[in-house]
Amino acid sequence: DQQVKQNSPSLSVQEGRISILNCDYTNSMFDYFLWYKKYPAEGPTFLISISSIKDKNEDGRFTVFLNKSAKHLSLHIVPSQPGDSAVYFCAAIDNNAGNMLTFGGGTRLRVKP
Amino acid sequence: DAGVIQSPRHEVTEMGQEVTLRCKPISGHDYLFWYRQTMMRGLELLIYFNNNVPIDDSGMPEDRFSAKMPNASFSTLKIQPSEPRDSAVYFCASSLAVQGVGYTFGSGTRLTVV
Repeated sequence: DQQVKQNSPSLSVQEGRISILNCDYTNSMFDYFLWYKKYPAEGPTFLISISSIKDKNEDGRFTVFLNKSAKHLSLHIVPSQPGDSAVYFCAAIDNNAGNMLTFGGGTRLRVKP
Repeated sequence: DAGVIQSPRHEVTEMGQEVTLRCKPISGHDYLFWYRQTMMRGLELLIYFNNNVPIDDSGMPEDRFSAKMPNASFSTLKIQPSEPRDSAVYFCASSLAVQGVGYTFGSGTRLTVV
């Protein structure tokens, strides 16, 4: 039973355009959400996060949107750059249940020059 | 800080052999996690420790898998005996006991069981 799902295993975008990565969750107790980025042969690295009390958080080219009623969040990258090509993992945490992140299956983003 | 350090980076072993993966977390971090990444299941949590004590091992696939954390600076994940389906990348991560703070991952160990 996957509590965090990324239904698109891959995404291809032209350089300069917007990349939108989606994530759905089922556990309404999740109160904090994070996105991680992973390059080949490296561990995932933290990218951006959002608390459940917010609906948007922006950091440079990266923006995360949260729709609690739909149990959906998305990561927008604009403009996309070839260096953004990586696997992106969505993760969620229930802070009242300990310090344990639940990850989605990942989306491989390819930004074409 | 050197970050989370995992060894070895790559391990190739024959089916039936014992495999031991090692992890050194970031100094001062209270939590340590072992994850496995596969194409089919993405990143799945195997086990995690808090202050060296195993808290949740429900993700450990079988009794062939075991993990220990003898002290705050070292953890091992052991597979005995190993099977080809154990082939995956195994990540260790550590974090502070601060709610909502994300993890710091190691570079992973790519395990191939032939």
